[in-house]
Amino acid sequence: TQLLEQSPQFLSIQEGENLTVYCNSSSVFSSLQWYRQEPGEGPVLLVTVVTGGEVKKLKRLTFQFGDARKDSSLHITAAQPGDTGLYLCAGAGGRDDKIIFGKGTRLHILP
Amino acid sequence: DTGVSQNPRHKITKRGQNVTFRCDPISEHNRLYWYRQTLGQGPEFLTYFQNEAQLEKSRLLSDRFSAERPKGSFSTLEIQRTEQGDSAMYLCASSARTGFEQYFGPGTRLTVT
Repeated sequence: TQLLEQSPQFLSIQEGENLTVYCNSSSVFSSLQWYRQEPGEGPVLLVTVVTGGEVKKLKRLTFQFGDARKDSSLHITAAQPGDTGLYLCAGAGGRDDKIIFGKGTRLHILP
Repeated sequence: DTGVSQNPRHKITKRGQNVTFRCDPISEHNRLYWYRQTLGQGPEFLTYFQNEAQLEKSRLLSDRFSAERPKGSFSTLEIQRTEQGDSAMYLCASSARTGFEQYFGPGTRLTVT
């Protein structure tokens, strides 16, 4: 059974600080997506990574896919209150390229 | 097309009643997914369709749950004889092809009293 574990589960930091959250698995994924979800809304796709070692940047957010395509990280520089939300990673792999989700990292940026 | 839409956004029902939710995917997407999400958890897969064919159902989907996508466009998820444990956010997503990015709707928040 494929599992995606996200860490930390919760993170509360001051505005302006940097942070990294992680998404790990023992399974190989053909692609991995990161989503951000606000309360009462559906997840919004941030990025897809498909190549081992790939790095993508989205303004202050940097996403990295591990060389073995088993893990990923999201780094936020100079966090802002607007970054507050639930960050979900989702991996596609296995039979039928089924997508599975991690449980998410709940991020709270204090002004 | 502005994305995936879901109706209603909120539903409050009494235990034992039946409820039906609708999802309209992005028009060119042939894959449609239903998920359930409870507080503090990631989305849990329920079922998915490729066009009108329902290809997989999770063990989470009890006999009280049924989903349809009759013409390969919109989909409905029905829950019969609702229970308090059914209270959750029900999310719909669509994608253009296997294993690729999924785009989510805003969800339907179900509260069973």
